[in-house]
Amino acid sequence: QSALTQPASVSGSPGQSITISCAGTSSDIGSYNLVSWYQQYPGKAPKLIIYEGSQRPSGVSYRFSGSTSGNTASLTISGLQDEDEADYFCCSYSGYSTSLFGGGTKVTVL
Amino acid sequence: QVQLVESGGGVVRPGRSLRLSCTASGFTFRDHGMHWVRQTPGKGLEWVAAIWHDGSNKYYLDSVKGRFTISRDDSRNTLYLQMNSLRVEDTAVYYCARDPAVKLATLFYFDYWGQGNLVTVSS
Repeated sequence: QSALTQPASVSGSPGQSITISCAGTSSDIGSYNLVSWYQQYPGKAPKLIIYEGSQRPSGVSYRFSGSTSGNTASLTISGLQDEDEADYFCCSYSGYSTSLFGGGTKVTVL
Repeated sequence: QVQLVESGGGVVRPGRSLRLSCTASGFTFRDHGMHWVRQTPGKGLEWVAAIWHDGSNKYYLDSVKGRFTISRDDSRNTLYLQMNSLRVEDTAVYYCARDPAVKLATLFYFDYWGQGNLVTVSS
């Protein structure tokens, strides 16, 4: 199975909102409400920021929100801050007891 | 607090074997399914293997089936990944990660991650 498709990079100015898309298929994102998003700083482990499409773990900023429509999931970061500059990865259960990741999106705060 | 600490990585020649370990603390290890996820600069993150909380089911990425084995020792709060017949393309940072489901089938997402352990396969 192919990886989920994310834009390589997204940028925005402080205070703005940005949205990262994650395109899958009817076999993964379109079939299961099990999309998750991870934030990763250079040299660090990924951190879960959204699970089951739109749920935020305890301690994750309200500025992060997730949604799903059809075969595409989206992560929106509102009120962009310098600390949001990182890599972001989407992930979806893809059936047959496997998971698929997206290629990752580098967020730059201008 | 939840902690996952990996060990066992290093440099190995193609065709050889290596075993990774991941020692857990801060939660009831036997209640959670566990995963191995790897990361390379070129291919990003890639899920590798999963094991149910009770060890009754194990799942693998197609490219590692028959070569890698995931296992757990609940008495030692430790997860393992035995990697045999290693290939150059297995070179990556390997993370162990916890599945959030408690005493249930794995959900295939990851709420806590270890710090990562570099495996380099090179001649």
